[in-house]
Amino acid sequence: DIQMTQSPSSLSASVGDSVTITCRASEDITNYLAWLQQKPGKAPKSLMYGAVNLHSGVPSRFSGRRSGTSFTLTINSLQPEDFATYYCQQYSSYPETFGQGTKLEMK
Amino acid sequence: QVQLQESGPGLVKPSQTLSLSCAVSGGSISGGSFYWTWIRQSAGAGLEWIGRIYTTGDTRYNPSLKTRVSISMDTSKNQFSLKLASVTAADTAVYFCVRKVAYGGQEDYFDSWGQGTLVTVSS
Repeated sequence: DIQMTQSPSSLSASVGDSVTITCRASEDITNYLAWLQQKPGKAPKSLMYGAVNLHSGVPSRFSGRRSGTSFTLTINSLQPEDFATYYCQQYSSYPETFGQGTKLEMK
Repeated sequence: QVQLQESGPGLVKPSQTLSLSCAVSGGSISGGSFYWTWIRQSAGAGLEWIGRIYTTGDTRYNPSLKTRVSISMDTSKNQFSLKLASVTAADTAVYFCVRKVAYGGQEDYFDSWGQGTLVTVSS
C-alpha cells in the first residue's frame, strides 16, 4: 500500500494567518492526490483533487502544490470556518489511502 | 444534488456479519460514471478505504479486508450495500458511503458523502 505521511499532526493559528500542511507519498502518485476537510461530527468534505484543482464552491484562499512525491495544502487568510481537520488521500493505486490528518486549531 | 444515507444496525456481535446499506436519492445508481464507495473512520486507524463498486458492477476491495468484505448494488432500490464478515472490535468505526465521480484519471473526485453511521462491535 502507498503510505501517506502528513505533517504537522496539529497546528495552531489565528484568523488572517496563512498555514501550510504537507503530505508525502511513499512512492510516485503523480497528481492523484486529494485534500479533504472534516469538522467534528461531520463527514469529510472534498476540497481539492488532482493535487491542484479546487472542488466546486471551495474558496480560492485554498491552494495545492506538488513537488515530486511531496504535496502541500496552503490556506491563506484563515477564516473562522477553516478550523478543522485536514486529510490528504492518494488514489493512484488501490487501496486508496489517507494521511493521518492535521488538526488546525485556533490560537 | 445527490444525497446518500447509510442505514443498518449500530451494534454487531463479534464474529457476526456487519451489513449496511446506502440509499441514493437525487440520481440513479446505474447511470453515469461513478464509484460507489465505502470508507470507515476509527480513532485508532483514521480514515480507511474499504472498497468500491463501479456503475457497471465491477468491484475493488482493500486487500486488508478482502477475504471478509463484499459490496453490491441493487438498482431496483437505488442503493448499494456493504457486508463485512467475522467482525471484531477492530471493525468498530463510523462507516461512510461516498460517491466518487469517475473520469478514470486524476480528475476523479468525491462529490457526495453520507452522514456516516457508527457501528460498534461488542457482545
